[in-house]
Amino acid sequence: QSVLTQPPSVSGAPGQRVTISCTGGNSNIGAGYDVHWYQQLPGTAPKLLIYGNNNRPSGVPDRFSGSKSGTSASLAITGLQAEDEADYYCQSYDSSLSGWVFGGGTKLTVL
Amino acid sequence: QLQLQESGPGLVKPSETLSLTCTVSGGSISSSSYYWGWIRQPPGKGLEWIGSIYYSGSTNYNPSLKSRVTISVDTTKNQFSLKLSSVTAADTAVYYCARIWFGELLFDSWGQGTLVTVSS
Repeated sequence: QSVLTQPPSVSGAPGQRVTISCTGGNSNIGAGYDVHWYQQLPGTAPKLLIYGNNNRPSGVPDRFSGSKSGTSASLAITGLQAEDEADYYCQSYDSSLSGWVFGGGTKLTVL
Repeated sequence: QLQLQESGPGLVKPSETLSLTCTVSGGSISSSSYYWGWIRQPPGKGLEWIGSIYYSGSTNYNPSLKSRVTISVDTTKNQFSLKLSSVTAADTAVYYCARIWFGELLFDSWGQGTLVTVSS
């Protein structure tokens, strides 16, 4: 059972928009800690996709965006492409655990 | 360009100790801006933070694993290491080492990962 809750799967057709939610609590996202998102392509290590709730590292297309409100955060992907098919993880810090926490991951399928 | 590389046995027997080392190249493990961490991912499952260390040797561990985990650092070799004792099949996973940017509390650089299987 992950500290942060994500839907197990989402899907969309090429060109469409999808969102992935990440729900935490008052000791992590709700405590003001930033949410970060990672993309994990099959057989590879996770890669930082969004940091500080809504910032993109250089090289990440602007089709990817993030937001945070209260105890939740969301990742939005517009203009879906086949290459976006991957697992996506949210991550934050938890003051009760004094450590880093992840969501359970969401598998994105491009139909 | 920073690179992290995990190394260690790919097969460990039940009840024994899993030992992995992460070698950092292209940057100093003694940088004041970063922690260094271990994360694992059981086959087909999600990511789990195991623990982290600062170059000074200060550590913090996931409470669920704390009784079995030791993380250490060797600044002379630019390496940090993981030991997980009394392993069971549930500890079978891909183990990643990663750099943690202290300013944002995020994992900004990852090793490629190494699969450790616990089996007799």
